[in-house]
Amino acid sequence: NAGVTQTPKFRILKIGQSMTLQCAQDMNHNYMYWYRQDPGMGLKLIYYSVGAGITDKGEVPNGYNVSRSTTEDFPLRLELAAPSQTSVYFCASKRLQANTGELFFGEGSRLTVL
Amino acid sequence: DAKTTQPPSMDCAEGRAANLPCNHSTISGNEYVYWYRQIHSQGPQYIIHGLKNNETNEMASLIITEDRKSSTLILPHATLRDTAVYYCIVRGGSGNTGKLIFGQGTTLQVKP
Repeated sequence: NAGVTQTPKFRILKIGQSMTLQCAQDMNHNYMYWYRQDPGMGLKLIYYSVGAGITDKGEVPNGYNVSRSTTEDFPLRLELAAPSQTSVYFCASKRLQANTGELFFGEGSRLTVL
Repeated sequence: DAKTTQPPSMDCAEGRAANLPCNHSTISGNEYVYWYRQIHSQGPQYIIHGLKNNETNEMASLIITEDRKSSTLILPHATLRDTAVYYCIVRGGSGNTGKLIFGQGTTLQVKP
């Protein structure tokens, strides 16, 4: 198993550009998450999904969109990138049993908006 | 959503036990307490979780108070490699939503 795979690992965007961060997991996990982490800060939940076709907002969803058309993939779309979106983005997944089991994280995608 | 409160930083001498506290006074009866740690800029790593009984695994022990309003993560013999940010979280939302909110965490510095 590859676990949780995020691409790209690094990206520089200009203000106003758009891009999609890809996240894929091969563990057949129902739950998937997107977090962002600003320098020196904790993780903030952007969006999460409890299964294909179902997504919900987290703490900081503004400026982002997600979709979950398959169990494996959970892409995060940034529209009209802003410097405030400069951050490290982590994707994670978890088994169906929400009260047990652990979150598996990807290695992160480091995004800089200039 | 239940909120957690952790001290921003702690020091521990190498080889000694590291006791990391977490307050979750608004936790509801069916919410679990999870602990994760993050080393440098890597993705967080799961450590342990529990509901109301004390738990132990190969990495750490988790002590949850009887009223479940607080817990302590214990690293019995801290090493320099345990220097990391430690996050205490509870499963957020009512029902089985799967929403997981991280707080600011505690930066643990293990010193020689």
